[in-house]
Amino acid sequence: GAVVSQHPSWVICKSGTSVKIECRSLDFQATTMFWYRQFPKQSLMLMATSNEGSKATYEQGVEKDKFLINHASLTLSTLTVTSAHPEDSSFYICSARGGQPQHFGDGTRLSIL
Amino acid sequence: AQSVTQLGSHVSVSEGALVLLRCNYSSSVPPYLFWYVQYPNQGLQLLLKYTSAATLVKGINGFEAEFKKSETSFHLTKPSAHMSDAAEYFCAVSEGNQGGKLIFGQGTELSVKP
Repeated sequence: GAVVSQHPSWVICKSGTSVKIECRSLDFQATTMFWYRQFPKQSLMLMATSNEGSKATYEQGVEKDKFLINHASLTLSTLTVTSAHPEDSSFYICSARGGQPQHFGDGTRLSIL
Repeated sequence: AQSVTQLGSHVSVSEGALVLLRCNYSSSVPPYLFWYVQYPNQGLQLLLKYTSAATLVKGINGFEAEFKKSETSFHLTKPSAHMSDAAEYFCAVSEGNQGGKLIFGQGTELSVKP
């Protein structure tokens, strides 16, 4: 079945650093990828939608300059959390769509000290 | 605007008992509906989906859900719970098509007692 790989699965870093998370579709071309954020014991909150070769569409309240999204190819999208602070600590999940229901990555646990 | 409400943030059943997780939706257009399962520190796995074909949808791991337009519901059931079913379950509705932006419910944590 369709597989989406997300890397890294866990990252701990100091406040002020930038962190890049990769989302790859391994066996299909993903015209659209979605980035979600999930707080403990809560649902997924859509952050942005990225389409290959164009600018991402951010949901209301999500800072574009804080969460940089690049969808440079049909198999790769990246989310960069710039100048991360402790309040950015969360579980980030990507999903990819290639004409079928979305397929989700395994998520990235981001902890900012 | 579309929305999803899951009744009960936590459901506990005994092993072998019926599992019933409730989901109600709101949509101004014919919806695409999904149930996903999430295990700790993992992403979401699709259990089943409704895409305007049969109203009774069968999914993986013995789960099924019935789309009831009159009740705007899409409840998830499993006849006999297994310990491995303990997880977080999310109901979701898609805007426009089955690959579109997903609106998730709040989630229901299922516990299975021995």
